[in-house]
Amino acid sequence: AQKITQTQPGMFVQEKEAVTLDCTYDTSDPSYGLFWYKQPSSGEMIFLIYQGSYDQQNATEGRYSLNFQKARKSANLVISASQLGDSAMYFCAMREGGGSQGNLIFGKGTKLSVKP
Amino acid sequence: KAGVTQTPRYLIKTRGQQVTLSCSPISGHRSVSWYQQTPGQGLQFLFEYFSETQRNKGNFPGRFSGRQFSNSRSEMNVSTLELGDSALYLCASSLLSRGLIGNTEAFFGQGTRLTVV
Repeated sequence: AQKITQTQPGMFVQEKEAVTLDCTYDTSDPSYGLFWYKQPSSGEMIFLIYQGSYDQQNATEGRYSLNFQKARKSANLVISASQLGDSAMYFCAMREGGGSQGNLIFGKGTKLSVKP
Repeated sequence: KAGVTQTPRYLIKTRGQQVTLSCSPISGHRSVSWYQQTPGQGLQFLFEYFSETQRNKGNFPGRFSGRQFSNSRSEMNVSTLELGDSALYLCASSLLSRGLIGNTEAFFGQGTRLTVV
């Protein structure tokens, strides 16, 4: 079973509008972290935002916010006031637990296209 | 503060050859992870090194190996290259240390794009 599911292969949004990118996850570990990364065509993975499983409040970073619904196991990324430079692939990822489990598990990604 | 540096950025190799990729993490970061990204399989975890020890390994054949040096720089090696090894190889560094719960962000390099012909 997939641990991270991103159901939207592609999304379009008009410049200056808000857009929500969906992410659901599956884990039985009570301690985990959820991440969103942006990957432009250049290839570099750019960290956007992080949400810990014990965090009480939804994470926000500038125009990015994470809609964390723990009971539903969803961690949707909301981008407000979209800009042309936001056009890229977006990946949701999870890191489980502590100790030696250090790797990120990625979803398949969502390609966001911002229209002028 | 310098970011994660991967070299080379692009590489073309022939089937059967071997290749070594390099990753210099952010100063002070001791954990280095490697990922393979392909259009078909997406992003897949290869291995993680912490303080020169492989701490975690993904589901890849033994042709894929790595190591980490005392200055935290890491190399990964792929021997007997196959066409299917063509991919973007990404390195990530983080402060993650043993005992810390798994919620430390990872910073990625720009990747090495390997083409096997």
